[in-house]
Amino acid sequence: DAGITQSPRHKVTETGTPVTLRCHQTENHRYMYWYRQDPGHGLRLIHYSYGVKDTDKGEVSDGYSVSRSKTEDFLLTLESATSSQTSVYFCAISEPDPTAPWDEYSNQPQHFGDGTRLSIL
Amino acid sequence: GNSVTQMEGPVTLSEEAFLTINCTYTATGYPSLFWYVQYPGEGLQLLLKATKADDKGSNKGFEATYRKETTSFHLEKGSVQVSDSAVYFCALSENYGQNFVFGPGTRLSVLP
Repeated sequence: DAGITQSPRHKVTETGTPVTLRCHQTENHRYMYWYRQDPGHGLRLIHYSYGVKDTDKGEVSDGYSVSRSKTEDFLLTLESATSSQTSVYFCAISEPDPTAPWDEYSNQPQHFGDGTRLSIL
Repeated sequence: GNSVTQMEGPVTLSEEAFLTINCTYTATGYPSLFWYVQYPGEGLQLLLKATKADDKGSNKGFEATYRKETTSFHLEKGSVQVSDSAVYFCALSENYGQNFVFGPGTRLSVLP
């Protein structure tokens, strides 16, 4: 299994408080992602990172910020949590395959952590 | 944009039954295709993948063939077990990060 650790695994907090979720990887993969999973919506990309200090927005980035100061850590912050951000959050990592043909080089699978269940009351 | 459609289920089968979960996709280029499985309380695990037309991915008795002409990647298993009960996600990747798209997931329950 890919070495991905998400912390905390569970958190309950109140509306308006700041929340930071951490994803730590031991695989030295370049790419890291944050998703949220909700019933009826499947997995939706929040933000992703393609290197240290290099991040970009995904499909549902409003209300979230990220930081990546080291290859191994990718932080997701909810500056002021709202009840609509109650969800299960997954971190994923991936890495291009230098041995693959040019058209498959970057289309490599993502590997997921076990998730953080966040409840905002 | 890119998208993935799959039967949402739930699918309920008896042990040793044949399984098919349909997946179709739309993509502008030449995506790689994946099936993931999610057990309760866990993250998604890669089950199998295929990177070009006519490739067959296989793992743990599951198979799926990349059909470009029908833009499909149906998951099959000849004889399911109770331990296969999980949610299965079809996904495609065309460009890094931005275009990794998941289907809604199909919940499979296998009864003894």
